[in-house]
Amino acid sequence: EDQVTQSPEALRLQEGESSSLNCSYTVSGLRGLFWYRQDPGKGPEFLFTLYSAGEEKEKERLKATLTKKESFLHITAPKPEDSATYLCAVHLRGNFNKFYFGSGTKLNVKP
Amino acid sequence: GAGVSQSPRYKVAKRGQDVALRCDPISGHVSLFWYQQALGQGPEFLTYFQNEAQLDKSGLPSDRFFAERPEGSVSTLKIQRTQQEDSAVYLCASSLTAVNSHNEQFFGPGTRLTVL
Repeated sequence: EDQVTQSPEALRLQEGESSSLNCSYTVSGLRGLFWYRQDPGKGPEFLFTLYSAGEEKEKERLKATLTKKESFLHITAPKPEDSATYLCAVHLRGNFNKFYFGSGTKLNVKP
Repeated sequence: GAGVSQSPRYKVAKRGQDVALRCDPISGHVSLFWYQQALGQGPEFLTYFQNEAQLDKSGLPSDRFFAERPEGSVSTLKIQRTQQEDSAVYLCASSLTAVNSHNEQFFGPGTRLTVL
């Protein structure tokens, strides 16, 4: 069964304290893995797409990496404005109409 | 530069009422998705349109749910005889090309449906 699991469910960091969020997946065939940011009361906002193991992408304080079983979203020296829920989603080979989302990691960065 | 818009933003319905939720995707976007997001959970796929064709409706939870996109732009998600378990945020997303290409989805703000 295709499955996407995110951990931790919630994460509290002090401003400047770097950390990583995890997205592990068990799927029949990965076409792409997406990271989104979601603020309260808003729809998800696209961050990154990763397609193959070993791929990395960066944007400001965020860096996403991908292996054959999981993806990490590394946050370097976070600021309070990075507080949000971070969602990952997988796009499967052979069933490319669907995107499966994890439950998200709720990040709170305190000043 | 309008993004994806959805209306209404909030909807309260009495159990048994029918509701219609509207999505205006980004102009020219081929693909349109509907998702259901329960509190504290990630979005769950409901249905997918490529232009006016509904190519996948396997995520619709029951035959009370119906979606259409008759002219390949605006889409409506209709829920008949609403039940309390239908309470959720309904998200619409669009992307520029067909889903077998690699491209990002742009999400609307969602409609929060509360069924009393």
